[in-house]
Amino acid sequence: AQSVTQPDIHITVSEGASLELRCNYSYGATPYLFWYVQSPGQGLQLLLKYFSGDTLVQGIKGFEAEFKRSQSSFNLRKPSVHWSDAAEYFCASRNTGFQKLVFGTGTRLLVSP
Amino acid sequence: DGGITQSPKYLFRKEGQNVTLSCEQNLNHDAMYWYRQDPGQGLRLIYYSQIVNDFQKGDIAEGYSVSREKKESFPLTVTSAQKNPTAFYLCASSRDSSNSPLHFGNGTRLTVT
Repeated sequence: AQSVTQPDIHITVSEGASLELRCNYSYGATPYLFWYVQSPGQGLQLLLKYFSGDTLVQGIKGFEAEFKRSQSSFNLRKPSVHWSDAAEYFCASRNTGFQKLVFGTGTRLLVSP
Repeated sequence: DGGITQSPKYLFRKEGQNVTLSCEQNLNHDAMYWYRQDPGQGLRLIYYSQIVNDFQKGDIAEGYSVSREKKESFPLTVTSAQKNPTAFYLCASSRDSSNSPLHFGNGTRLTVT
């Protein structure tokens, strides 16, 4: 069955430092991949998406993610974290031809001053 | 502005009562979804609908019911058969069922005592 793994439950980063959140998916072909962000008590907001083509995709709020087929990974990165980036981040994948979007369990980002 | 409206934001019910969560979208999206979110478990799909008058069970449909009588509306009923209904419920929609990202509402937090 399709699955998405986010191995880090919590990550703490100092403000201004770089960030990388890990995501691994399990699927034979190239899935559609997404990163969402959720502030407490709110819905999810799309940060970026990958369908095909260039493996480095740019998103909103200065985030980017790189698709690596050989590692089945789609890690999210940001060069310099701001305090407002503290939130929960979800990686998700969707197979071609299906409607189900499968989510990872999320990574909570804490930003220290 | 187009978007998804979930109401109410907070809902309290006594055990044994059915409760209906509202979800309305004005994005003209064909597909709509209900997810349940519990701490540490990510988002789990309850039901989804690709078109009006049609819907499919997701991964955790037991104890829930839905209807899709109008394109813009997809209400979720949490029945008394749901063993652990206290959770955060998220409604989403997408343009079609292939590679379109999901757009989320701001959620309803249901507490059953």
